[in-house]
Amino acid sequence: NAGVTQTPKFQVLKTGQSMTLQCAQDMNHNSMYWYRQDPGMGLRLIYYSASEGTTDKGEVPNGYNVSRLNKREFSLRLESAAPSQTSVYFCASPGQGDPSSYEQYFGPGTRLTVT
Amino acid sequence: AQSVTQPDIHITVSEGASLELRCNYSYGATPYLFWYVQSPGQGLQLLLKYFSGDTLVQGIKGFEAEFKRSQSSFNLRKPSVHWSDAAEYFCAVGVGGTSYGKLTFGQGTILTVHP
Repeated sequence: NAGVTQTPKFQVLKTGQSMTLQCAQDMNHNSMYWYRQDPGMGLRLIYYSASEGTTDKGEVPNGYNVSRLNKREFSLRLESAAPSQTSVYFCASPGQGDPSSYEQYFGPGTRLTVT
Repeated sequence: AQSVTQPDIHITVSEGASLELRCNYSYGATPYLFWYVQSPGQGLQLLLKYFSGDTLVQGIKGFEAEFKRSQSSFNLRKPSVHWSDAAEYFCAVGVGGTSYGKLTFGQGTILTVHP
């Protein structure tokens, strides 16, 4: 049981290049989330998927697209990378059911640099 | 929309001293409240959470937090800090229902521990 996994761990892109960040969870959770972390700004929600087949914008969706491929996988795509997208990206998936047992499980993160 | 403020960007304490990290939130109803810790280059680890009931919540690593509705606060405390507690700490608020995974994070507080 690996929890939430992300690939790659590190990536360097040139401005204008595209790439897809992969996220998978093996906990059979319904919802999955993508956050970005920037110094002094905490984590900000990019997109989320409340269930398989649905996706919604978060606080900072511009420049990104997502795909909920199946219940396990939720990918984040940068179509034309910009230096402002240099960040650490975290995928997360919360537990479900009784809120008292709730926990948001985070992946290890992808550190992306756009030059 | 909910918001979270962590007034202290950086706190320095001596090992063995007590610690209090402040967190203020804005939300119309009773929120779900969380504290996470992040060591350099690492992912996020849940320290504790509040959903309902007893307003004093115990977490891992000797941390506790108190929910004060009248002050819209959820401050994190530890009676005696260890050098290994040096990290960045994030307060987060979540709403109820099917969107409880949609967390809003504070800006973070960096904790430095002097020997």
